[in-house]
Amino acid sequence: EAGVVQSPRYKIIEKKQPVAFWCNPISGHNTLYWYRQNLGQGPELLIRYENEEAVDDSQLPKDRFSAERLKGVDSTLKIQPAELGDSAVYLCASSFRQGNWYEQYFGPGTRLTVT
Amino acid sequence: QKEVEQNSGPLSVPEGAIASLNCTYSDRGSQSFFWYRQYSGKSPELIMFIYSNGDKEDGRFTAQLNKASQYVSLLIRDSQPSDSATYLCAVNAGRGADGLTFGKGTHLIIQP
Repeated sequence: EAGVVQSPRYKIIEKKQPVAFWCNPISGHNTLYWYRQNLGQGPELLIRYENEEAVDDSQLPKDRFSAERLKGVDSTLKIQPAELGDSAVYLCASSFRQGNWYEQYFGPGTRLTVT
Repeated sequence: QKEVEQNSGPLSVPEGAIASLNCTYSDRGSQSFFWYRQYSGKSPELIMFIYSNGDKEDGRFTAQLNKASQYVSLLIRDSQPSDSATYLCAVNAGRGADGLTFGKGTHLIIQP
Protein backbone atom coordinates (compact mmCIF):
# COMPACT_ATOMS: atom_id res chain seq x y z
CA GLU A 1 0.00 0.00 0.00
CA ALA A 2 1.43 3.36 -1.02
CA GLY A 3 1.91 5.88 1.75
CA VAL A 4 1.01 9.55 1.94
CA VAL A 5 2.62 11.43 -0.93
CA GLN A 6 3.74 15.03 -0.67
CA SER A 7 5.40 17.42 -3.05
CA PRO A 8 7.64 19.22 -3.31
CA ARG A 9 10.02 17.76 -0.73
CA TYR A 10 11.97 20.97 -0.41
CA LYS A 11 11.15 24.58 -1.21
CA ILE A 12 13.20 27.73 -0.81
CA ILE A 13 11.49 31.06 -1.40
CA GLU A 14 12.00 34.70 -0.55
CA LYS A 15 9.71 36.35 1.97
CA LYS A 16 6.50 37.81 0.60
CA GLN A 17 6.40 35.18 -2.16
CA PRO A 18 3.57 32.63 -2.39
CA VAL A 19 4.09 28.90 -1.97
CA ALA A 20 1.90 25.83 -2.28
CA PHE A 21 2.20 22.29 -1.00
CA TRP A 22 0.40 19.26 -2.33
CA CYS A 23 -0.68 16.07 -0.59
CA ASN A 24 -2.16 12.79 -1.78
CA PRO A 25 -3.39 10.68 1.15
CA ILE A 26 -3.38 6.92 1.46
CA SER A 27 -6.14 5.45 -0.69
CA GLY A 28 -9.38 5.12 1.22
CA HIS A 29 -8.38 7.46 4.03
CA ASN A 30 -11.18 9.99 4.39
CA THR A 31 -9.51 12.16 7.03
CA LEU A 32 -6.61 14.37 6.02
CA TYR A 33 -4.50 16.64 8.21
CA TRP A 34 -1.93 19.34 7.69
CA TYR A 35 0.60 19.80 10.48
CA ARG A 36 3.54 22.16 10.83
CA GLN A 37 6.70 21.09 12.62
CA ASN A 38 9.25 23.62 13.74
CA LEU A 39 12.79 22.56 14.58
CA GLY A 40 12.96 20.81 17.95
CA GLN A 41 9.18 20.75 18.35
CA GLY A 42 6.42 18.26 17.81
CA PRO A 43 4.02 18.69 14.90
CA GLU A 44 1.16 21.15 15.40
CA LEU A 45 -2.18 20.76 13.67
CA LEU A 46 -3.11 23.41 11.12
CA ILE A 47 -6.26 21.94 9.60
CA ARG A 48 -8.25 18.70 9.45
CA TYR A 49 -10.53 17.55 6.65
CA GLU A 50 -13.26 14.96 6.70
CA ASN A 51 -13.66 14.19 3.01
CA GLU A 52 -13.86 17.64 1.41
CA GLU A 53 -15.04 19.48 4.53
CA ALA A 54 -12.63 21.38 6.77
CA VAL A 55 -13.85 20.32 10.22
CA ASP A 56 -11.09 21.93 12.28
CA ASP A 57 -9.20 24.95 11.00
CA SER A 58 -8.96 26.76 14.32
CA GLN A 59 -5.14 26.76 14.25
CA LEU A 60 -4.80 27.86 10.63
CA PRO A 61 -3.51 31.46 10.32
CA LYS A 62 -6.22 32.52 7.93
CA ASP A 63 -4.74 35.86 7.02
CA ARG A 64 -2.04 34.17 4.96
CA PHE A 65 -2.77 30.44 4.91
CA SER A 66 -5.43 28.68 2.89
CA ALA A 67 -6.18 25.06 2.13
CA GLU A 68 -8.50 23.07 -0.03
CA ARG A 69 -9.38 19.46 -0.60
CA LEU A 70 -11.32 19.21 -3.80
CA LYS A 71 -13.23 15.97 -4.40
CA GLY A 72 -12.19 14.76 -0.96
CA VAL A 73 -8.88 13.26 -2.05
CA ASP A 74 -5.83 15.45 -2.80
CA SER A 75 -5.23 18.57 -0.79
CA THR A 76 -3.27 21.78 -1.28
CA LEU A 77 -1.96 24.11 1.42
CA LYS A 78 -1.01 27.62 0.36
CA ILE A 79 0.84 30.45 2.03
CA GLN A 80 0.60 33.95 0.61
CA PRO A 81 2.66 35.93 1.38
CA ALA A 82 5.29 33.86 3.16
CA GLU A 83 7.11 35.25 6.19
CA LEU A 84 10.46 34.28 7.68
CA GLY A 85 8.67 32.58 10.58
CA ASP A 86 6.92 30.20 8.20
CA SER A 87 10.15 28.24 7.74
CA ALA A 88 9.28 24.75 8.96
CA VAL A 89 8.41 21.26 7.78
CA TYR A 90 4.82 20.94 6.58
CA LEU A 91 3.49 17.47 7.15
CA CYS A 92 0.41 15.92 5.64
CA ALA A 93 -1.20 12.95 7.37
CA SER A 94 -4.20 10.76 6.73
CA SER A 95 -6.08 8.39 8.95
CA PHE A 96 -8.38 5.41 8.80
CA ARG A 97 -10.48 3.62 11.34
CA GLN A 98 -8.92 0.52 12.89
CA GLY A 99 -11.76 -1.04 14.86
CA ASN A 100 -13.01 1.75 17.12
CA TRP A 101 -9.84 3.79 16.84
CA TYR A 102 -8.05 5.89 14.24
CA GLU A 103 -4.39 5.75 13.27
CA GLN A 104 -2.70 8.72 11.64
CA TYR A 105 0.07 8.19 9.11
CA PHE A 106 2.38 10.94 7.97
CA GLY A 107 3.83 11.76 4.61
CA PRO A 108 7.52 12.66 4.13
CA GLY A 109 6.85 16.37 4.56
CA THR A 110 7.85 19.52 2.70
CA ARG A 111 10.73 21.46 4.16
CA LEU A 112 10.11 25.17 3.57
CA THR A 113 12.87 27.73 3.90
CA VAL A 114 11.89 31.39 3.68
CA THR A 115 14.82 33.77 3.13
CA GLN B 1 -4.49 24.79 26.64
CA LYS B 2 -3.70 21.14 26.17
CA GLU B 3 -0.09 20.29 26.92
CA VAL B 4 2.04 17.21 26.50
CA GLU B 5 5.34 17.15 28.34
CA GLN B 6 8.38 15.04 27.54
CA ASN B 7 11.97 15.19 28.70
CA SER B 8 13.89 16.34 25.63
CA GLY B 9 16.97 14.29 26.53
CA PRO B 10 19.20 13.11 25.14
CA LEU B 11 18.54 9.82 26.89
CA SER B 12 21.52 7.52 26.48
CA VAL B 13 20.97 3.76 26.90
CA PRO B 14 23.43 0.90 26.33
CA GLU B 15 22.65 -1.56 23.56
CA GLY B 16 20.58 -4.47 24.81
CA ALA B 17 19.16 -2.56 27.78
CA ILE B 18 15.62 -1.31 28.32
CA ALA B 19 14.90 2.26 27.23
CA SER B 20 12.13 3.99 29.18
CA LEU B 21 10.47 7.07 27.70
CA ASN B 22 7.94 9.09 29.66
CA CYS B 23 5.17 11.55 28.85
CA THR B 24 2.63 13.49 30.90
CA TYR B 25 -0.44 15.29 29.61
CA SER B 26 -2.65 18.02 30.97
CA ASP B 27 -6.10 17.24 29.50
CA ARG B 28 -7.72 14.72 31.81
CA GLY B 29 -10.36 14.01 29.17
CA SER B 30 -7.83 12.62 26.68
CA GLN B 31 -8.86 9.24 25.32
CA SER B 32 -6.10 7.91 23.08
CA PHE B 33 -2.34 8.08 23.24
CA PHE B 34 0.21 7.53 20.52
CA TRP B 35 3.93 6.99 20.24
CA TYR B 36 5.75 8.04 17.09
CA ARG B 37 9.39 7.54 16.18
CA GLN B 38 11.12 10.22 14.13
CA TYR B 39 14.55 9.77 12.63
CA SER B 40 16.52 12.92 11.87
CA GLY B 41 15.23 14.55 8.70
CA LYS B 42 12.34 12.10 8.38
CA SER B 43 8.65 12.26 9.21
CA PRO B 44 7.03 10.70 12.30
CA GLU B 45 6.35 6.98 12.09
CA LEU B 46 3.58 5.43 14.20
CA ILE B 47 4.89 2.80 16.63
CA MET B 48 1.77 2.05 18.63
CA PHE B 49 -1.18 3.53 20.46
CA ILE B 50 -2.95 2.80 23.72
CA TYR B 51 -6.32 3.79 25.14
CA SER B 52 -6.87 1.57 28.20
CA ASN B 53 -5.09 1.77 31.52
CA GLY B 54 -2.33 -0.77 31.82
CA ASP B 55 0.19 -2.21 29.43
CA LYS B 56 0.07 -2.93 25.71
CA GLU B 57 2.87 -4.92 24.12
CA ASP B 58 3.95 -5.06 20.47
CA GLY B 59 7.21 -6.88 19.84
CA ARG B 60 10.00 -5.11 21.71
CA PHE B 61 7.76 -2.17 22.52
CA THR B 62 5.44 -1.81 25.52
CA ALA B 63 3.20 1.20 26.04
CA GLN B 64 1.93 1.91 29.54
CA LEU B 65 -0.97 4.19 30.43
CA ASN B 66 -2.08 5.53 33.80
CA LYS B 67 -4.99 7.92 33.29
CA ALA B 68 -5.28 8.76 37.00
CA SER B 69 -1.71 10.06 36.97
CA GLN B 70 -2.04 11.40 33.38
CA TYR B 71 1.07 9.52 32.46
CA VAL B 72 2.09 7.49 29.42
CA SER B 73 5.33 5.64 28.89
CA LEU B 74 7.06 3.61 26.22
CA LEU B 75 9.49 0.82 27.02
CA ILE B 76 11.85 -0.51 24.39
CA ARG B 77 13.38 -3.86 25.29
CA ASP B 78 16.68 -5.15 23.90
CA SER B 79 17.51 -1.69 22.57
CA GLN B 80 19.30 -1.58 19.24
CA PRO B 81 21.39 1.22 17.68
CA SER B 82 18.63 1.49 15.05
CA ASP B 83 16.28 2.59 17.84
CA SER B 84 18.24 5.84 18.14
CA ALA B 85 15.72 8.52 17.19
CA THR B 86 13.39 11.11 18.65
CA TYR B 87 10.26 9.62 20.20
CA LEU B 88 7.14 11.76 20.10
CA CYS B 89 4.24 11.27 22.47
CA ALA B 90 0.87 12.40 21.12
CA VAL B 91 -2.51 12.71 22.78
CA ASN B 92 -6.01 12.78 21.33
CA ALA B 93 -9.27 13.93 22.86
CA GLY B 94 -11.21 11.21 21.11
CA ARG B 95 -10.58 8.01 19.23
CA GLY B 96 -7.72 9.41 17.18
CA ALA B 97 -9.60 11.14 14.36
CA ASP B 98 -9.09 14.59 15.85
CA GLY B 99 -5.83 16.43 15.52
CA LEU B 100 -3.07 15.07 17.73
CA THR B 101 -1.37 17.17 20.39
CA PHE B 102 2.32 16.32 20.42
CA GLY B 103 5.07 16.71 22.95
CA LYS B 104 8.45 18.03 21.86
CA GLY B 105 9.91 14.54 21.82
CA THR B 106 12.69 12.70 23.62
CA HIS B 107 15.97 12.17 21.81
CA LEU B 108 17.09 8.59 22.46
CA ILE B 109 20.63 7.41 21.82
CA ILE B 110 21.47 3.70 21.98
CA GLN B 111 25.14 3.23 22.64
CA PRO B 112 26.73 0.19 20.92
